[in-house]
Amino acid sequence: DTEVTQTPKHLVMGMTNKKSLKCEQHMGHRAMYWYKQKAKKPPELMFVYSYEKLSINESVPSRFSPECPNSSLLNLHLHALQPEDSALYLCASRTGTGSTGELFFGEGSRLTVL
Amino acid sequence: KNEVEQSPQNLTAQEGEFITINCSYSVGISALHWLQQHPGGGIVSLFMLSSGKKKHGRLIATINIQEKHSSLHITASHPRDSAVYICAALQRPNTDKLIFGTGTRLQVFP
Repeated sequence: DTEVTQTPKHLVMGMTNKKSLKCEQHMGHRAMYWYKQKAKKPPELMFVYSYEKLSINESVPSRFSPECPNSSLLNLHLHALQPEDSALYLCASRTGTGSTGELFFGEGSRLTVL
Repeated sequence: KNEVEQSPQNLTAQEGEFITINCSYSVGISALHWLQQHPGGGIVSLFMLSSGKKKHGRLIATINIQEKHSSLHITASHPRDSAVYICAALQRPNTDKLIFGTGTRLQVFP
């Protein structure tokens, strides 16, 4: 299994809603990432988990809350989002350390905030 | 100025043409990834390079560490190669952090 699976593929939510995005990989990868991508822009790093611990938070607003319950699963909890948070949210995972890690991306969750 | 720059930003080609996309970076890196993104979102990793050259089918990627430059070549281009190509540098010493280039949008016409 060489897949990173993201659910849901599409999500529409209001500014008062609480929702979650889910990312799963069963490749034994040690690093998992959340990226945000706006139209026609490259992905922007949000969070990195390494060995299930948060290693990088790129000054993301607290209305985005990541969680890594186990080595295969990464969640992104969403609360009180703004319309400008509408974007494609990509999860990625990577094996190995240093320069040896192959990178795998999920298909993304397209979020619309009304 | 971005730490990872790509050129050109947009590229159109006729089917069969040889294509080159360039990536320059200004930071120390441990590896560089070339990624492909089709409309609709999913990103596929094409190559990971830390030195030299790699080939996969019609795709060739090279990197020159001294000049801080990498190129992606597509031989005998085909309309299905139409996508956005992104280089992403794995920054030294924090090897968890990828810095993305701005992407090159390629359209290949039959």
